[in-house]
Amino acid sequence: GNSVTQMEGPVTLSEEAFLTINCTYTATGYPSLFWYVQYPGEGLQLLLKATKADDKGSNKGFEATYRKETTSFHLEKGSVQVSDSAVYFCALSDRGGTSYGKLTFGQGTILTVHP
Amino acid sequence: DAGVTQSPTHLIKTRGQHVTLRCSPISGHKSVSWYQQVLGQGPQFIFQYYEKEERGRGNFPDRFSARQFPNYSSELNVNALLLGDSALYLCASSLGLFGTGGPYGYTFGSGTRLTVV
Repeated sequence: GNSVTQMEGPVTLSEEAFLTINCTYTATGYPSLFWYVQYPGEGLQLLLKATKADDKGSNKGFEATYRKETTSFHLEKGSVQVSDSAVYFCALSDRGGTSYGKLTFGQGTILTVHP
Repeated sequence: DAGVTQSPTHLIKTRGQHVTLRCSPISGHKSVSWYQQVLGQGPQFIFQYYEKEERGRGNFPDRFSARQFPNYSSELNVNALLLGDSALYLCASSLGLFGTGGPYGYTFGSGTRLTVV
């Protein structure tokens, strides 16, 4: 079945530091890949997406490239801000088999940015 | 334009009771999906409905059921509540079935926080 694995443990950075959150996936069909962000007490917001290999998704300074050869979709940002503190989820949607349009999520990575 | 709206925002139920959660999708969206998010974990897929038909079901017991109405709104019902059902229940809507690519995409509501005591 499909699965998404994110780097374990919370990430704590100082403002203006470089951010990488690793994400790898397993899928049986042709997945599209997403990063969602969840602020405290809120639902999920789509941060960026990529629908085919070598696509780069970008939004608000965040970027992620769909790497089929390494089955990865790592999230990066060159300079984080305190306001980026949130939980980040990597997810995939796979049209293959019986998965239809369901999203499969990773376990989430808590990001805390200090001034 | 209103986003995905869920009601209620919070509720507390006792073990063994029944609960109904409601979701109104973005206007024009025909697909509604339900997810359960236990504290500290990623959301888990429960159901997807498209054009009022069930199109996908996750690994949840038969105590969980859902339906979609002619106006595309949806209800999630959970019977015989257990302590382990305590979670944030998220609804997501999309124009099409897959929510991928082009103008399509999933939009999530803020969720219903269910506490079972």
